[in-house]
Amino acid sequence: ILNVEQSPQSLHVQEGDSTNFTCSFPSSNFYALHWYRWETAKSPEALFVMTLNGDEKKKGRISATLNTKEGYSYLYIKGSQPEDSATYLCAFHGNTPLVFGKGTRLSVIA
Amino acid sequence: EAQVTQNPRYLITVTGKKLTVTCSQNMNHEYMSWYRQDPGLGLRQIYYSMNVEVTDKGDVPEGYKVSRKEKRNFPLILESPSPNQTSLYFCASRGLSGANVLTFGAGSRLTVL
Repeated sequence: ILNVEQSPQSLHVQEGDSTNFTCSFPSSNFYALHWYRWETAKSPEALFVMTLNGDEKKKGRISATLNTKEGYSYLYIKGSQPEDSATYLCAFHGNTPLVFGKGTRLSVIA
Repeated sequence: EAQVTQNPRYLITVTGKKLTVTCSQNMNHEYMSWYRQDPGLGLRQIYYSMNVEVTDKGDVPEGYKVSRKEKRNFPLILESPSPNQTSLYFCASRGLSGANVLTFGAGSRLTVL
């Protein structure tokens, strides 16, 4: 079973702080890296999919970078707001179906 | 509206009583998949299907069956449910080509007593 690691497992930040977390994945047989946002009592929703080494994607205050050679992706949130509170999942797509990390649970305190 | 629909959303059942969780998508997606979510374990894949009549085991297929007779439907069958199958289940679909993202259903919370 492929190993997709996310860190930290959880984090608490103050409203207005910027934060980032990491997804580590195998550096071989890479096809795509997905990020999803999962709010409590809802279903996961796609944020980004990245396929090329060096890719950077942005959606409002959230951005992500990708390094396929070393097998990691960072998700950044600038100026965190309470509505950003959610679990952020990454998923690795190699030569097998998507493998999800366990997520980083973000709590933004007003 | 493009969506993945799962039913039932909530179900309490007893050990051994066969049940089916339905999943339907209206996006003409080739790929469909079932996941279960348990505390501390993240999303784990149960079964997936790359197209009609093509299904494969995921990481945790034991105790489950699936079928893909039509492109839009991918039901999850628990022939003889056991308490360790108490979980939150998600169906998801996506197109096969390129780096398409998954669209998830709303989830089905199953309790087996």
